[in-house]
Amino acid sequence: GESVGLHLPTLSVQEGDNSIINCAYSNSASDYFIWYKQESGKGPQFIIDIRSNMDKRQGQRVTVLLNKTVKHLSLQIAATQPGDSAVYFCADVVRGNTPLVFGKGTRLSVIA
Amino acid sequence: EAQVTQNPRYLITVTGKKLTVTCSQNMNHEYMSWYRQDPGLGLRQIYYSMNVEVTDKGDVPEGYKVSRKEKRNFPLILESPSPNQTSLYFCASSFGGVRYEQYFGPGTRLTVT
Repeated sequence: GESVGLHLPTLSVQEGDNSIINCAYSNSASDYFIWYKQESGKGPQFIIDIRSNMDKRQGQRVTVLLNKTVKHLSLQIAATQPGDSAVYFCADVVRGNTPLVFGKGTRLSVIA
Repeated sequence: EAQVTQNPRYLITVTGKKLTVTCSQNMNHEYMSWYRQDPGLGLRQIYYSMNVEVTDKGDVPEGYKVSRKEKRNFPLILESPSPNQTSLYFCASSFGGVRYEQYFGPGTRLTVT
């Protein structure tokens, strides 16, 4: 698969504010997208996913937006908490079960 | 508790000395996968398995072997480790493939000198 990238490597937000983490993908054939969270010293943890036939999906305090026109994905975290501090990865799947292509990651730091 | 376990968690070895990193899941998942994580390169898939006796290469399979003789276990084998295989390794499993939530293990930090 082609590379999945991220606009910003680091993001600092005040506790209680909303966070927006962006991701660009390059393969127009990608039809499934996932966000993972990785806390220090741990393995990645699934947050939310979205299929290409949707443009928005909401979870608990998180929302993923998909803009296929510009091949852009974003993760919004509402009322950011210290426990949200982690590295966030987006990943895409082109078709079937071909390997996930992970982005490099964005480090989110929450300032108390 | 549903989990993916890996052993060892840390390993320092020398070039050429065969090693195996074990991975086990207790969720009866069909899909299992190995990733390596390197600074600046992110997570890259090494091998994956859709079911018992079914394995396939990921993006960076060179220098690695895997086997899937039982549903719960998916060991990663380095027949002749080299320093460029120094990395953080993660095993993951899911119900049916990458389009399902993948559960990751805690990671194995391998150093090859």
